[in-house]
Amino acid sequence: SQQGEEDPQALSIQEGENATMNCSYKTSINNLQWYRQNSGRGLVHLILIRSNEREKHSGRLRVTLDTSKKSSSLLITASRAADTASYFCATDPTFYNTDKLIFGTGTRLQVFP
Amino acid sequence: NAGVMQNPRHLVRRRGQEARLRCSPMKGHSHVYWYRQLPEEGLKFMVYLQKENIIDESGMPKERFSAEFPKEGPSILRIQQVVRGDSAAYFCASSRPLGQGSGNTIYFGEGSWLTVV
Repeated sequence: SQQGEEDPQALSIQEGENATMNCSYKTSINNLQWYRQNSGRGLVHLILIRSNEREKHSGRLRVTLDTSKKSSSLLITASRAADTASYFCATDPTFYNTDKLIFGTGTRLQVFP
Repeated sequence: NAGVMQNPRHLVRRRGQEARLRCSPMKGHSHVYWYRQLPEEGLKFMVYLQKENIIDESGMPKERFSAEFPKEGPSILRIQQVVRGDSAAYFCASSRPLGQGSGNTIYFGEGSWLTVV
């Protein structure tokens, strides 16, 4: 079954607003990563947060991780039309002992100018 | 430094034909992963390879699908006797040889879109 589930499945906002996406997973992990995918394109790595970290920032991105709740959130501040894409969380479960990632189903973000 | 290179980007095959998808990892990367993405879905892990060695093929269908990563040349994902349900985007990713859950960033190629008609 899916390791990661994103919520919401789709999100529409206006430019300048903040976008928050959530990810829940089922097993213990080494780390959690967020990726972006523009339509018809490959995945672009956004940020990696390790299991012993609680929050991480990168530019307009803020990621939190709560291992007790097995959940993570991705916040995009001051969104732009160019942020329109699908966003996926991916977990690196501890029981695999490799860098194999398990992806969620994604959140489709639409930012209107 | 070139990224992960996949070709072809788009491939059309008739039912029953074979599809071969190629992936050249980033320079210095010796681990390759293949993922499949069906329309409107997330990526599903298929197989994880090192040079000349399949590490984990737990996501590969039992029949018609095979993957290799030879000592020289790209990794190949081969689908024999394709069916309509094989239509999907196939993504290759690569990482450095520091596995064991070390938290390597995995870099993805632009994908190969297979359409079976």
